[in-house]
Order: sequence, then structure tokens, then C-alpha cells
Amino acid sequence: ILNVEQSPQSLHVQEGDSTNFTCSFPSSNFYALHWYRWETAKSPEALFVMTLNGDEKKKGRISATLNTKEGYSYLYIKGSQPEDSATYLCALQTGANNLFFGTGTRLTVIP
Amino acid sequence: EPEVTQTPSHQVTQMGQEVILRCVPISNHLYFYWYRQILGQKVEFLVSFYNNEISEKSEIFDDQFSVERPDGSNFTLKIRSTKLEDSAMYFCASRGGLAGTYEQYFGPGTRLTVT
Repeated sequence: ILNVEQSPQSLHVQEGDSTNFTCSFPSSNFYALHWYRWETAKSPEALFVMTLNGDEKKKGRISATLNTKEGYSYLYIKGSQPEDSATYLCALQTGANNLFFGTGTRLTVIP
Repeated sequence: EPEVTQTPSHQVTQMGQEVILRCVPISNHLYFYWYRQILGQKVEFLVSFYNNEISEKSEIFDDQFSVERPDGSNFTLKIRSTKLEDSAMYFCASRGGLAGTYEQYFGPGTRLTVT
């Protein structure tokens, strides 16, 4: 079992603030790093899949970076909105199909 | 937009009973997965399925578990004799078969409660 860690576990920010959180993973056996956004009672929604060291991806106000050599990825949210409130999960994909998930960062954006 | 669906959303069963959790993956996808999340813990991989057979399974996926794709659209997870510790949220996911496609699309989950 590969240990994927996320920090912080939970986070409260004011509407309009920018925020970021971390996913760390063992850099050996790296194949891809996935980020998901998960709202209660809904399906986890795929945000990004990152495969290359130094990769940076962006979707609207959300972006992510990847460092495979040191084993971490950052997720950034610019100008947080209440609808950004969710749990953000990262998952490591090794050469095999399956994903190893972190515990998630629960974000609450206060209006 | 196509989505993965799961039924039921919540299943309550007594210890020792058999349960079948159902999933309808996205129609042109070729890879299928089951994961589970015990309350307060990480989402854990159970099994992957491709070309009508299991391609990989975790230590959790013992003889009490089985998967099936009976009719080309449904993908089911059966637990033969449920235990209290099987109580969890069970997620189905599917992935397309094109080279370079990594995204796994998740269903909303089935919450299984074993009493």
C-alpha cells in the first residue's frame, strides 16, 4: 500500500481569498497523479490528471502543479467562492490501473 | 454529459446476508473499478475489471467478493456474507480505452450499512 498524504485535513477561507493545499506521495513507481473534487452526495469529479514532472494544469480558477522528483503536487484555488466548498482528493496512479488516494482536504469557503 | 450511475444509493443489510451493488458505467468505457471508503478513512481500491475478467485486485477483495458484467451494461459487486466491517461507501468507476486516457469517472456511491 502506497502512502499518499494530503494537508491540511481541513481548511476554512473567506470568499475571495486564494488558497492552496498539498498532496505528497512516494516518487518511486509514479505513473500519474489525479485530483478530484468531491461534494457530499455527489460523484467525485475529475479535475486534473498530471503525468510529467513540472506539469502545470489549469481549469478556470483552479490550477495544479506537479513535482515527481520530490513527490508532491499543489492545488491552488484563486478567489475562492462558496461553490468551491468540497473535499479535494488526490490519488497516485502507479503502473497498474488502480489509484491510491489521500485522505482529502475539506475546504469550506465562508461567504 | 455521460455519467456513471449506481444503485441503490443506500443499502442496509444484516450481517451474513448477501448484497449486490449495481453500477452502470459510461457506455463506451472499457475499464471498470470498485473502490470503497470506510467512514473516516481513505478511499481504497478493491478491484479492476477489463475484457470480462479481473485485471487486478487488492488484499481487501477476498473470496467473499465477486464482480460481474452480466449484460454488457451493468457492472456488479457482490458480497456473499456481509460482515460489520464491510460497512462503507462503495464507489464504481470507469475509464475509456483510448491510449493516454487516464481519467477514472466515478459514480455517486452506494452507502452499505451492515447491522
